[in-house]
Amino acid sequence: NAGVTQTPKFQVLKTGQSMTLQCAQDMNHEYMSWYRQDPGMGLRLIHYSVGAGITDQGEVPNGYNVSRSTTEDFPLRLLSAAPSQTSVYFCASSPRPRQGTDEQYFGPGTRLTVT
Amino acid sequence: DAKTTQPPSMDCAEGRAANLPCNHSTISGNEYVYWYRQIHSQGPQYIIHGLKNNETNEMASLIITEDRKSSTLILPHATLRDTAVYYCIVPRAGSYQLTFGKGTKLSVIP
Repeated sequence: NAGVTQTPKFQVLKTGQSMTLQCAQDMNHEYMSWYRQDPGMGLRLIHYSVGAGITDQGEVPNGYNVSRSTTEDFPLRLLSAAPSQTSVYFCASSPRPRQGTDEQYFGPGTRLTVT
Repeated sequence: DAKTTQPPSMDCAEGRAANLPCNHSTISGNEYVYWYRQIHSQGPQYIIHGLKNNETNEMASLIITEDRKSSTLILPHATLRDTAVYYCIVPRAGSYQLTFGKGTKLSVIP
């Protein structure tokens, strides 16, 4: 298994541009999520999904859209990039979204800079 | 999520046991304690979790006090590769969200 993969590894955007960060997992996990990590800070949840066709907002959803058309993929879309979205983005997945039974597996991250 | 409190940093000599404390005095009866670590900006890595009883796996041991208000993660023989930020997390029961605080930066010293 490749686990959780993220592309690209690095990205530089200009203010106002849009882009999609890709996340895929090959473990047939139901639960997937996106976090952002600002310098020197902990991770904060952006959006999550408990299965194909189901998504919900996390702590910091503004400026981001998600969709979950397949179990494997959970792309994160930045609609109009802003410098405040400069961060490292991590995708995670978990076998079943039942608290207390499953750990989450994280991807390697995408480092995004918005100028 | 139950609030967790961890020391900002700790040092440990290579080969010795690293004991990382965490206070979670507001934890509810059905909430688990999870530990993750993050090595130099890589994605966080799951270590261990537990409810009441002490737990051990190939990476670490987790000791939870009887009143469940605190816990200790033990790395039995720390190596330089264990240098990382360690996060103690208590998700709200039924919640999918992990709340990462600032964690404890563990430095393993040769």
